Amino acid sequence: GAGVSQSPSNKVTEKGKDVELRCDPISGHTALYWYRQSLGQGLEFLIYFQGNSAPDKSGLPSDRFSAERTGGSVSTLTIQRTQQEDSAVYLCASSLKGAGSPLHFGNGTRLTVT
Amino acid sequence: GESVGLHLPTLSVQEGDNSIINCAYSNSASDYFIWYKQESGKGPQFIIDIRSNMDKRQGQRVTVLLNKTVKHLSLQIAATQPGDSAVYFCAEKLNNAGNMLTFGGGTRLMVKP
Repeated sequence: GAGVSQSPSNKVTEKGKDVELRCDPISGHTALYWYRQSLGQGLEFLIYFQGNSAPDKSGLPSDRFSAERTGGSVSTLTIQRTQQEDSAVYLCASSLKGAGSPLHFGNGTRLTVT
Repeated sequence: GESVGLHLPTLSVQEGDNSIINCAYSNSASDYFIWYKQESGKGPQFIIDIRSNMDKRQGQRVTVLLNKTVKHLSLQIAATQPGDSAVYFCAEKLNNAGNMLTFGGGTRLMVKP
């Protein structure tokens, strides 16, 4: 079946512009996660959704970052007034349920802020 | 704070040999561990997981070992193939952290033909 789908796969934007990244989770997966991966680094947790609610927003690096999920499915991660340090690969994952089930990742959106 | 880490940033093995990738964790409250494989330009791919009430779990050509006494996790790959070349991440979940995974820094596995 289809895996986690993210769009766009690549995004180049100018400093100060807003960007919106989209994630389509695996059908039926109730939990959805956003992670960020800088070049050659591990994964940094950003936010977690269970259904449409976000019980854990602790990883969002600043108030320029926000995320929403509607209909228990698609999620968007929005970065306002992008900065060069926001350049990274943004990875979305979903899992069938909450705690203790493996996350399945998409291929990410590579964001470059010039 | 406590974190997951890896001993070897790069591991080079001969095709056909067995590979062992190690991971040290420091949080005794972690109750779930996962290994992921990440190839260039792709997202992490789930390999195998293990819960803290187990010491060993086997999959196809892979085995994960968990030593809670020394807080050590390892991934063993049997008969390593060129297609196994990738970066491998271990991740842990705290037992009161919903399903938030904390990832280690990754180990690059290079398989020589």
